[in-house]
Amino acid sequence: GQNIDQPTEMTATEGAIVQINCTYQTSGFNGLFWYQQHAGEAPTFLSYNVLDGLEEKGRFSSFLSRSKGYSYLLLKELQMKDSASYLCAPQRAGSYQLTFGKGTKLSVIP
Amino acid sequence: GAVVSQHPSWVICKSGTSVKIECRSLDFQATTMFWYRQFPKQSLMLMATSNEGSKATYEQGVEKDKFLINHASLTLSTLTVTSAHPEDSSFYICSASSMDKLFFGSGTQLSVL
Repeated sequence: GQNIDQPTEMTATEGAIVQINCTYQTSGFNGLFWYQQHAGEAPTFLSYNVLDGLEEKGRFSSFLSRSKGYSYLLLKELQMKDSASYLCAPQRAGSYQLTFGKGTKLSVIP
Repeated sequence: GAVVSQHPSWVICKSGTSVKIECRSLDFQATTMFWYRQFPKQSLMLMATSNEGSKATYEQGVEKDKFLINHASLTLSTLTVTSAHPEDSSFYICSASSMDKLFFGSGTQLSVL
């Protein structure tokens, strides 16, 4: 099975930087997805990490350490529209299954 | 947390046959369910939004006559892949909203021979 742990809620100030951590335990691992979900909407893809290291994409970056079973999503220059849930989803090797964490609800305040 | 049950987990079928996938919200009512498809090493792609008691909303490029969605109750949505072909082989996953959170089924791996 897969155990995924990420904080339930976080609050950060507009313009600041926030890091959302995710730890996972999985029997076989292919890669890890991060999704953003606004309330009542479908999740949208943010990033996919397969190799160790940092992947930067605009204001969002995602880091992966396969050996540690650890990932984080880094959001820079926070905007109010970044208030959403962020879902960590490791992908099991040999399978297409994605198991999502319960998500981190980020609130960006003025 | 809320539980979304999706069945079957995997299915193998012959080309030209139809396959039905069920998505159930077990402990909550879901007026909206989402259906996704994922090809190897690619992101989940939203196929359609299923609304209870009304027609589903399909994303651009998704054939509504091929992927039939029925959401007749607040706890059940079904996706039927009609006249399946090998190119339809993919991983299909549903999700449902509860308390502003999205809960996913475990997915269905479809292989069309």
